[in-house]
Amino acid sequence: DVVMTQSPLSLPVTLGQPASISCRSSESLVHGDGNIYLNWFQQRPGQSPRRLIYKVSNRDSGVPDRFSGSGSGTEFTLKISTVEAEDVGVYYCMQATSWPLTFGGGTKVEIK
Amino acid sequence: QITLKESGPTLVKPTQTLTLTCTFSGFSLSTFGVGVGWIRQPPGKAPEWLALIYWSDEKRYSTSLRSRISITKDTSKNQVVLTMTNMDPVDTGTYYCVQRQVSETGGLKAPLGGYYWGQGTLVTVSS
Repeated sequence: DVVMTQSPLSLPVTLGQPASISCRSSESLVHGDGNIYLNWFQQRPGQSPRRLIYKVSNRDSGVPDRFSGSGSGTEFTLKISTVEAEDVGVYYCMQATSWPLTFGGGTKVEIK
Repeated sequence: QITLKESGPTLVKPTQTLTLTCTFSGFSLSTFGVGVGWIRQPPGKAPEWLALIYWSDEKRYSTSLRSRISITKDTSKNQVVLTMTNMDPVDTGTYYCVQRQVSETGGLKAPLGGYYWGQGTLVTVSS
């Protein structure tokens, strides 16, 4: 199985400041079709996870442009340019290149 | 509009078998490329994919749990059923039903589109 490792575990952020979350995969996520199927999910308290980013850097419909994804190979990053109160929650990376699809351990974003 | 809803027992005793049903609407599991799976999330921990069944009846299982789980579909009822045997307190968590789509070329599946999640159902394993 591909192991996804996230850091940090917890991320206290001041409102209006940027935040950055890292995700590393234990092996290359390049699919046979040449794409990298690395997703980022947000899970607000008491809710089901919601996808924010797909194929490393593509925002899903309705996702604010303060969220951005980047990376290649086995290293990936989710950035929030200016954190807002509604961004509080746990963020997970998930690889969808090979089965079983696997999630990172999560990063809890909270307001200082 | 795509919706999925999980149903089943909220409390299960150790060693018992858990059976969960996902009832969905807004799509058909007989449509090429469509799959429905189960994800569980222990309290305070990351989600974990358990099983997935495709339109073709192809099934995929978690590496570590494959000996204990089974997934089936009833296309006429728009339902997918997950069975997990020999339940243990560590299996406590929220179980989600999730829809995904794939494209398939030369036998190689690739993700297509987003994921639709049910609201989840909390299953507690305790005597």
